Amino acid sequence: DGGITQSPKYLFRKEGQNVTLSCEQNLNHDAMYWYRQDPGQGLRLIYYSQIVNDFQKGDIAEGYSVSREKKESFPLTVTSAQKNPTAFYLCASSPQLTGANYGYTFGSGTRLTVV
Amino acid sequence: DAKTTQPPSMDCAEGRAANLPCNHSTISGNEYVYWYRQIHSQGPQYIIHGLKNNETNEMASLIITEDRKSSTLILPHATLRDTAVYYCIVRVGGGGADGLTFGKGTHLIIQP
Repeated sequence: DGGITQSPKYLFRKEGQNVTLSCEQNLNHDAMYWYRQDPGQGLRLIYYSQIVNDFQKGDIAEGYSVSREKKESFPLTVTSAQKNPTAFYLCASSPQLTGANYGYTFGSGTRLTVV
Repeated sequence: DAKTTQPPSMDCAEGRAANLPCNHSTISGNEYVYWYRQIHSQGPQYIIHGLKNNETNEMASLIITEDRKSSTLILPHATLRDTAVYYCIVRVGGGGADGLTFGKGTHLIIQP
């Protein structure tokens, strides 16, 4: 079945360490996204990518980095510069078809805790 | 993207219809209304979307007022598994682009 796989589901990190969250999709979607969710809050956009080798900052990109070397993969690195990294991280994808009306597909999320 | 307003929480009895309202008074002519839901600690799930006509699928119905300034998501026979946060989002149609803007949504609690 097609979908988005995020791994790991739970991740613990020591302060000052970088950590990379994985996101893989087999939907042949062009666009991919990373969101952050804090308790009781909506989702906030971190980064997005519309095509391979290109990505754009979202609303809260500081302290994060991404790469898009393959269409299926969009890993997110949470760097030591991110002051409050403990959160629930969600990856999503969508087709890149102007004028069409498609929903977004989300992964099941990675819960990152800084210890 | 137009801003939306939703009640923070709602209750509904199991087996009854759940009607979730959304106000989007500043919606523009080329913006669609999308609904997603998020069950606790999972990723959001697409439910339905529409432009100006009412829409129905296997999950829900979407009723959009004639002036398009508000809409209602209807879950016809709510079950306990429908307990989730429901997000109403308006944006121009098309996949990709710059992502969706999620507010705090409505926490729907289905009571047994």
